[in-house]
Amino acid sequence: EAGVAQSPRYKIIEKRQSVAFWCNPISGHATLYWYQQILGQGPKLLIQFQNNGVVDDSQLPKDRFSAERLKGVDSTLKIQPAKLEDSAVYLCASSPSWRSGNTIYFGEGSWLTVV
Amino acid sequence: AQRVTQPEKLLSVFKGAPVELKCNYSYSGSPELFWYVQYSRQRLQLLLRHISRESIKGFTADLNKGETSFHLKKPFAQEEDSAMYYCALRENFGNEKLTFGTGTRLTIIP
Repeated sequence: EAGVAQSPRYKIIEKRQSVAFWCNPISGHATLYWYQQILGQGPKLLIQFQNNGVVDDSQLPKDRFSAERLKGVDSTLKIQPAKLEDSAVYLCASSPSWRSGNTIYFGEGSWLTVV
Repeated sequence: AQRVTQPEKLLSVFKGAPVELKCNYSYSGSPELFWYVQYSRQRLQLLLRHISRESIKGFTADLNKGETSFHLKKPFAQEEDSAMYYCALRENFGNEKLTFGTGTRLTIIP
């Protein structure tokens, strides 16, 4: 079974520039998550989709971050404009659904450095 | 709000010695608890969950609701256990969000 795919793996941008990350979940997984992991911290949920609808985006900084999952399959996370504190690993994950008992599978992450 | 605390950022243990990684949580409901592991240059992956009550790679974890703890244990550490370990809590209602602790880096000394 193919895992969660993410691209790009690494990105370096200057502050105030924009960046976009792409995620393709495991086939058939209805739930897709974007997590932000800052160095030395655990992953923090940014947004959770169930199919193409948003379930939770309470911790997404909506003034600069946006995410979409238009056809209920792959997803894009965008940051515009980027700040220095956005330097982190952005993890995409998926699960068959958001109900208890379902394992969440993570991608390898997209490493962002803002200079 | 739910919270997961892993008090040790770093833990070094000699090969063959017992390992215990601590995890405490705060949550008003009845949560589901997990341990995730990240080996060097690999993706974050599920190690075990409390509802399965199973042993994976020799690791076990018991949910203690009285002490709100979910410590990860292994009686005899192996070099391949060196990794980053994250305790996580999942709500059992609403969107069932997964909340992670800050992680413990376990190093097994040969």
